[in-house]
Amino acid sequence: EVQLVESGGGVVQPGGSLRLSCAASGFIFDDYMMHWVRQVPGKGLEWVSLINWDGGTAYYGDSVKGRFTISRDNDKKFLYLQMRDLRSDDTAVYYCGKGRGGKYIDCWGQGTLVTVSS
Amino acid sequence: QSALTQPASVSGSPGQSITISCTGTSSDVGSYDLVSWYQQPPGKAPKVMIYEVNKRPSGVSNRFSGSKSGNTASLTISGLLAEDEADYYCCSYAAGNVLIFGGGTKLTVL
Repeated sequence: EVQLVESGGGVVQPGGSLRLSCAASGFIFDDYMMHWVRQVPGKGLEWVSLINWDGGTAYYGDSVKGRFTISRDNDKKFLYLQMRDLRSDDTAVYYCGKGRGGKYIDCWGQGTLVTVSS
Repeated sequence: QSALTQPASVSGSPGQSITISCTGTSSDVGSYDLVSWYQQPPGKAPKVMIYEVNKRPSGVSNRFSGSKSGNTASLTISGLLAEDEADYYCCSYAAGNVLIFGGGTKLTVL
């Protein structure tokens, strides 16, 4: 069974940093591209970032470009999202997702909440 | 990267059919047959219901179907059940390996 478990969320001050992790199991991790998607509580989904199978190429949404960095450790089967210079509008539940060729997400984690507040 | 446009809400009675539209542009929906639809019940993670416009993942009921015409994609749910009540999001691939989501549609089963 495919499982994705996010962790690392919490409360952080504006301008601060946080690293999210996503533990993957139940599939050949390094065969798949991986995504981060976020959702402000009560609002819609926003795509954040995508990384290719070997971690060599990454893509970002305009709102996080230059502040967030996606990475992966295929040996440990972990996906990461390093977030810097956090702002109040980064407050959201962050989901990791297993990608199908980068074209859609076929499995989602349960999400981890990031709250940016002083 | 502007969000795709969906109606905020739709409703239907059990047994009826409903359709949710998703309007993008010639740079996303109109350019690629790579529209997907996600169901998100309250408090839960999204689940893919349709991918590549009209394909259903294994295990998804054939009551769910998708289509596309020009810059607009649609999700149709036939034979509505109470369990279909959820938020639904469309999503399109766009150039540069970007995914763009719609604003979401709340489906109420009356």
